[in-house]
Amino acid sequence: EVQLLESGGGLVQPGGSLRLSCAASGFIFSSYAMSWVRQAPGKGLEWVSSIDNSGGRTYYTDSVKGRITISRDNLNNTLSLQMNSLRADDTAVYYCVKEKKKARDGFDSWGQGTLVIVSS
Amino acid sequence: DIQMTQSPSSLSASIGDRVTITCRASQSISVYVNWYQQRPGKAPNPLIFAASSLQSGVPPRFSGSGSGTDFTLTISSLQPEDSATYFCQQSYSMPWTFGHGTKVEIK
Repeated sequence: EVQLLESGGGLVQPGGSLRLSCAASGFIFSSYAMSWVRQAPGKGLEWVSSIDNSGGRTYYTDSVKGRITISRDNLNNTLSLQMNSLRADDTAVYYCVKEKKKARDGFDSWGQGTLVIVSS
Repeated sequence: DIQMTQSPSSLSASIGDRVTITCRASQSISVYVNWYQQRPGKAPNPLIFAASSLQSGVPPRFSGSGSGTDFTLTISSLQPEDSATYFCQQSYSMPWTFGHGTKVEIK
C-alpha cells in the first residue's frame, strides 16, 4: 500500500523559511515523479512543484520560483520542499503527491497534508 | 497557462440521481484530464485519469468522457458517500492546473 507521510508544517512569520518532508513507502520511490500540491483554506487545489524520478528535472509554478526548491533522496525515499521568503499567500495545506507511471496521467496517491501558516 | 472552467460550482441531488459535472479547457488538451474527489477535511482521492480511465478501486458508477476542450464526470447513481467536492485537472502542459471545484450535496 502506498503511503505518503508529510511533516514539517507549522506557523512561520512572513519572510521566514520552512522545510517540508514526505516519507514515501509501499512503492519503488525512485521510479516515479513526485509533486507538491497545495490548498489554501477554503480554496481549490494549486500545483506547486514537481520533480522527475531521478531528481534531475524540477518544475515550479511561477508564484514560487526563486523561493521554493523541491528535492528528493531516492536512497531514503524522501521528498522535500524547502520554502524561503514565505508570504501570507503561501498559507495552505501542502500535499505530497505521487504521479502515475505514464507521463500526463495525473496523480494517483496523496498524503494527508501538512498545514503551513504564514502570519505575524 | 491552461484554464480549467468547471460547472456547476455546486449542485444538490437525491440518492440514486444521475449527476454530471463538466470541465472546459481554455485550449485543446487531447484526453489529458483527471478527476479527483475531496471529502471535507480529507486529501483528494483520484477517480479518473486520461479523461475516461477509472483509477483502481473506484466504483464503476463513476465515469469520465470527453476530449479536446470539453470533459464530463458522471456519477450514474448518486450515493451518500459521494457528497464531496470534485476537481478536474489538466495534465497536458505545465503548469498543471485544476478547476475550481464542484460541491455535490445530497438532498
